[in-house]
Amino acid sequence: GEDVEQSLFLSVREGDSSVINCTYTDSSSTYLYWYKQEPGAGLQLLTYIFSNMDMKQDQRLTVLLNKKDKHLSLRIADTQTGDSAIYFCAEKADQGGKLIFGQGTELSVKP
Amino acid sequence: EPEVTQTPSHQVTQMGQEVILRCVPISNHLYFYWYRQILGQKVEFLVSFYNNEISEKSEIFDDQFSVERPDGSNFTLKIRSTKLEDSAMYFCASIWGTGGHEQYFGPGTRLTVT
Repeated sequence: GEDVEQSLFLSVREGDSSVINCTYTDSSSTYLYWYKQEPGAGLQLLTYIFSNMDMKQDQRLTVLLNKKDKHLSLRIADTQTGDSAIYFCAEKADQGGKLIFGQGTELSVKP
Repeated sequence: EPEVTQTPSHQVTQMGQEVILRCVPISNHLYFYWYRQILGQKVEFLVSFYNNEISEKSEIFDDQFSVERPDGSNFTLKIRSTKLEDSAMYFCASIWGTGGHEQYFGPGTRLTVT
């Protein structure tokens, strides 16, 4: 079945770049997403990439997609303490529109 | 900016009781979803709803669960007889239509079953 995997923790220093990685199994995924969850809050859609793209840049965020390896990454440039949160990778299943989530990567930004 | 809202933010209930979790999706959205996140686990799909009927449901969504859109704005998830393992954060999400794909999530309802 469909599965999405992420590493659980990432710690960086303020001002550095963060790279959060994700792998997925469903080769028919149409869209892949990054959501951010701050403590006690819901899931905020950060960005997404269509499956026929390799890269998408949105201000400090860069999404890279390697379809051959089924690997997705989110790069945050100039990481700030306010970026500390849990980041979820998700794929849109081909049928029905439901999202399949990874377990989330907790990003800790140290000053 | 329009947003999905959910009430209550936290619900505590005793095992065997019925609970209703409420969501108000973004007003012009047509597709609605419920997900849940058990503490420390992945966010899991429960059910999708379109045109007043269930489009898809997961194995988790058994006979104890039901969804309803009782009026033009609310979207509810009912759990008939809660179990301890139903304790989780429940998220509602919506999409505007068939051409849209971006799911917008509410802040969630934390359900604690004692």
